[in-house]
Amino acid sequence: TQLLEQSPQFLSIQEGENLTVYCNSSSVFSSLQWYRQEPGEGPVLLVTVVTGGEVKKLKRLTFQFGDARKDSSLHITAAQPGDTGLYLCAGEDSGAGSYQLTFGKGTKLSVIP
Amino acid sequence: GAGVSQSPRYKVAKRGQDVALRCDPISGHVSLFWYQQALGQGPEFLTYFQNEAQLDKSGLPSDRFFAERPEGSVSTLKIQRTQQEDSAVYLCASSLPGLTYGYTFGSGTRLTVV
Repeated sequence: TQLLEQSPQFLSIQEGENLTVYCNSSSVFSSLQWYRQEPGEGPVLLVTVVTGGEVKKLKRLTFQFGDARKDSSLHITAAQPGDTGLYLCAGEDSGAGSYQLTFGKGTKLSVIP
Repeated sequence: GAGVSQSPRYKVAKRGQDVALRCDPISGHVSLFWYQQALGQGPEFLTYFQNEAQLDKSGLPSDRFFAERPEGSVSTLKIQRTQQEDSAVYLCASSLPGLTYGYTFGSGTRLTVV
């Protein structure tokens, strides 16, 4: 069973601060995705990373896939209250054959105005 | 439709009751997934359809859980003889083949078994 561990589990910061969320596994993934989920809603895809060492930027969000494709990080610059939510990483094992994703437990981010 | 639609949004069931949860995916999305999300946890895989074929049901926790997608569009997740541990949010997601574009999730059905 592949597991993804996210840290920290909870994060409360002031508006304007920077933060990094980590997603780690002992398993290799074909690709890794980051989602953001708000209360009462389903997760919304932010980014997919496929190549080891890949870096993708989405406005103030920077995503990195580890060289060995076992870990990933999400860095937010100058956090805003609208960034508040549950951030989930999810890994795909193409060997499983069904495109199922293994999700971490998430990082609950609160950005205080 | 524009997004993945799930109904009902909330369901309260008495222990032992059968429930049916509906998912209407994005038109043209051949892949459909069901996930279960317990409080404070990430979603956990239940089952996967490609068109009408159920290709993976390895995540279904017991034989009380059954899913179908008879015409390759709308899907129903049925839970028989519900138990308290079935209380969770049930998420449906659809996608194009492969994972390049990621999943589009519905808002989920929150099931509470009392």
